[in-house]
Amino acid sequence: QVQLVESGGGVVRPGGSLRLSCAASGFTFSSYAMHWVRQAPGKGLEWVAVMSYHGIHKYYADSVEGRLAISRDNSKNTVYLEVNRLIPEDTAVYYCARDSLGGDPKWFWFDLWGQGTPVTVFS
Amino acid sequence: QSALTQPASMSASPGQSITISCTGTSSDVGTYNLVSWYQHHPGKAPKLIIYEVSNRPSGVSNRFSGSKSGNTASLTISGLQAEDEADYHCCSYAGSINYVVFGGGTKLTVL
Repeated sequence: QVQLVESGGGVVRPGGSLRLSCAASGFTFSSYAMHWVRQAPGKGLEWVAVMSYHGIHKYYADSVEGRLAISRDNSKNTVYLEVNRLIPEDTAVYYCARDSLGGDPKWFWFDLWGQGTPVTVFS
Repeated sequence: QSALTQPASMSASPGQSITISCTGTSSDVGTYNLVSWYQHHPGKAPKLIIYEVSNRPSGVSNRFSGSKSGNTASLTISGLQAEDEADYHCCSYAGSINYVVFGGGTKLTVL
C-alpha cells in the first residue's frame, strides 16, 4: 500500500525540540524528493522544508530557516524533521508529502501525503 | 496571511455545482501553469485532485475540474455529493526563490 505515516508530534514547551518522522511504504522512496508542510490552527497550508531524493540538497522556508533540519534515511524509507527552539507559532499539524516527480525537488505539486502529526508549543 | 486567496467557506446542496476561486499574483498563478488542488477531510491525509491547472490524477472523479484565467485559478465540483464536504486547498509553484505558495483553504459544506 502506497502511504506515508508521520509520527513524533507532541506537546513541547517553548525553546524545546522535537524530531518528527515520516515512514514511507509502497513505492521507491529513494527516487523522490520529500517535503514537510504544516498547517497551523485555522490557517492554510505552509511549505517548510524539502530534501532531495539522494539527501544532498535541502531547502527551507524563510520563516523557519535555522530552526528546522530535514534529513532522510533511504535504507529505512524515512524522512525526518527536527524542529528546534520551538515557538508558539510552530504549533501546527505537520505533514510529509511526496514531490510530484522523481529526482530533485520541483515543488510542482504533491501527489502523496500523510495524515499528519500534531505539534503543540505550550507553556 | 496566505499567499493565495480563497474564500474561507462555501456551501451548496447535493447535486449542485460549486466553483472555488484561488487568487494569486503574476509571480505565481499568473505565470506558471502549475496550480494544484487538494481535498482534505479533517484528520485524514490531504489528497491531490487537480494538478497542472486542470489535470486529474488517476482515480479522481471527473466531477472535479480546474481552470485558470490570469492570476485566478478555479476548482469546480459538479453534482455535489455528501462526501465532497471537506477543506479544499489551492497551491501554485512560485519560482526558484519562493518555491511554492498555498491558499488559506476553503471549507465546503454540502447542505
